[in-house]
Amino acid sequence: GAVVSQHPSWVICKSGTSVKIECRSLDFQATTMFWYRQFPKQSLMLMATSNEGSKATYEQGVEKDKFLINHASLTLSTLTVTSAHPEDSSFYICSALRTGGTYEQYFGPGTRLTVT
Amino acid sequence: AQRVTQPEKLLSVFKGAPVELKCNYSYSGSPELFWYVQYSRQRLQLLLRHISRESIKGFTADLNKGETSFHLKKPFAQEEDSAMYYCALKEAGGGNKLTFGTGTQLKVEL
Repeated sequence: GAVVSQHPSWVICKSGTSVKIECRSLDFQATTMFWYRQFPKQSLMLMATSNEGSKATYEQGVEKDKFLINHASLTLSTLTVTSAHPEDSSFYICSALRTGGTYEQYFGPGTRLTVT
Repeated sequence: AQRVTQPEKLLSVFKGAPVELKCNYSYSGSPELFWYVQYSRQRLQLLLRHISRESIKGFTADLNKGETSFHLKKPFAQEEDSAMYYCALKEAGGGNKLTFGTGTQLKVEL
């Protein structure tokens, strides 16, 4: 158990367009999910904490109007990159927090975004 | 602010040799420390956490508060241990957020 999926696994979009990435917890409910960004050969940088039914909490330096997060259900959080630019090209990873017991984060496989 | 440092980007060892992946942290409170592993083309997964004090796949890690370290060790490296390893810290009362180190690529050679 404890599987997290992301869709799409990779996406190419044109500069100026918006793209939505979905993160789903498949076999457990997650009131909290996290969105990370990973540059090539670098670490995961936390972008925001997604809370079901409330506003996301963004880390310092992350533009909330550019990276829209919606956590409308206990199994789904979405990240929308608005007006994408080439510098937004990156690997985006989500995780879902499984509560009860050890409170472990389970990670999705990531989404590769390329903005042309 | 909390910080996690992994000084080695790449660590190459021969099969059967001991492995030590270094992790140091800076945090004023009582942190919870983790090691995550990412095998080639797979997602990030938890390897072990300090509060469990367990050995997973032959790996152990001891939290040394005096040296603010949480080094990952294995006495005899196996080829299947080749992967990217990340040390991570969770603050006490920090809403379950994780701060990751920059990662160490472990390569076990035959």
